[in-house]
Amino acid sequence: EAGVAQSPRYKIIEKRQSVAFWCNPISGHATLYWYQQILGQGPKLLIQFQNNGVVDDSQLPKDRFSAERLKGVDSTLKIQPAKLEDSAVYLCASSLWTSGSEQFFGPGTRLTVL
Amino acid sequence: GQQLNQSPQSMFIQEGEDVSMNCTSSSIFNTWLWYKQDPGEGPVLLIALYKAGELTSNGRLTAQFGITRKDSFLNISASIPSDVGIYFCAGTGANSKLTFGKGITLSVRP
Repeated sequence: EAGVAQSPRYKIIEKRQSVAFWCNPISGHATLYWYQQILGQGPKLLIQFQNNGVVDDSQLPKDRFSAERLKGVDSTLKIQPAKLEDSAVYLCASSLWTSGSEQFFGPGTRLTVL
Repeated sequence: GQQLNQSPQSMFIQEGEDVSMNCTSSSIFNTWLWYKQDPGEGPVLLIALYKAGELTSNGRLTAQFGITRKDSFLNISASIPSDVGIYFCAGTGANSKLTFGKGITLSVRP
């Protein structure tokens, strides 16, 4: 069974530029998550989708971050404009259903904002 | 909000030794998960626990869901060099959101 796929693996941009990340979850997983992991910290949830609907985006900085999962499968996370403090690893995870369910993570995208 | 405490930040052991890691919370959790993260990779699920008192093994790994539902531990027996990495505890509480600890970096000396 294929795992969670993410691209790109690395991205370097200058502040105020925009960037987008892509995620393809495990086949059949209804729930998709985007996490931000700052160096030395555990992942922090940004947004959670159930199929193509948003379940929780309370920690998403909506002035600059946006995410969508239009057909209930792939998802994109966008940052516009980027700030220096956005430098982090952005992890995508998926699970079969929502609450208390085991989440499986992709390899992440390492973003560096200069 | 919900917080998980993991300490120390780093642990150094000799190959072949056993090691135990603890994770505590000030609030009750309904699920406890243990993940391992290697450099440049996403976290990989090691063990999932769903019931207070539950003790589950996965090879050389054993984890327990504390009776109070406010803690969990992970034990690695007979450590080997590939056990090196960052170990995160994570749990879901009343809000069903997965909260992560800050992780413990494990080093294994050959």
